[in-house]
Amino acid sequence: QVQLLQSGPGLVKPSQTLSLTCAISGDRVSSNSVGWNWIRQSPSRGLEWLGRTYYRSNWYTDYAESVKSRIIFNVDTANNSFSLRLNSLTPEDTAVYYCARDSSTMARLGFDYWGQGTRVAVSS
Amino acid sequence: DIQMTQSPASLSASVGDRVTITCRASQNIGTYLNWYQQQPGKAPKLLIYVASSLKRGVPSGFRGSGSGTDFTLTINSLQPEDFATYYCQQTYTSPFTFGQGTSLDIE
Repeated sequence: QVQLLQSGPGLVKPSQTLSLTCAISGDRVSSNSVGWNWIRQSPSRGLEWLGRTYYRSNWYTDYAESVKSRIIFNVDTANNSFSLRLNSLTPEDTAVYYCARDSSTMARLGFDYWGQGTRVAVSS
Repeated sequence: DIQMTQSPASLSASVGDRVTITCRASQNIGTYLNWYQQQPGKAPKLLIYVASSLKRGVPSGFRGSGSGTDFTLTINSLQPEDFATYYCQQTYTSPFTFGQGTSLDIE
């Protein structure tokens, strides 16, 4: 059974950087048949896909254009986890952030396992 | 980006009813359409992938259909636990966009 456990702060100040981690159990972050995604949800933007990282002999990452200039995904194979860093935060980045797995080579089969969500508020 | 439009935005029904939610894509996405259920305070849960494949463990009362740009989710004989918000998502190409959601509540 795959489980994703998220960790990270619930409150971040404007202009600072958000760091969230998603720890994986029941699968390997370096599996070559899955992908690892970050999604956020807010009342104003709904569910918004932020990007995906995946391993296919090398690591690849695909970011949403809306955050591409401010976001970085990292992978920690030793701890079987992946993380998100989003910088230059504004109140518009306030949302619930989720990590999720997709179980096909091109995410075609949907996101089958999700983390529990981290509610992040951007406020001074 | 591919826009996903769901209708209706909200829906009231009773236990035992059958309901249908529609999702329209702004361009042809083949059958790369997924449906999720979200309960308040919880993460979305995958119900149906590639338009009509039921995820293992999801009750058979959920049915997805469609291809191209028009898709439907039908829930037969609503159970109390089915009252939730439902989202469609296209995974034809990134960015993987979601519909705005359909809130299903008890009449």
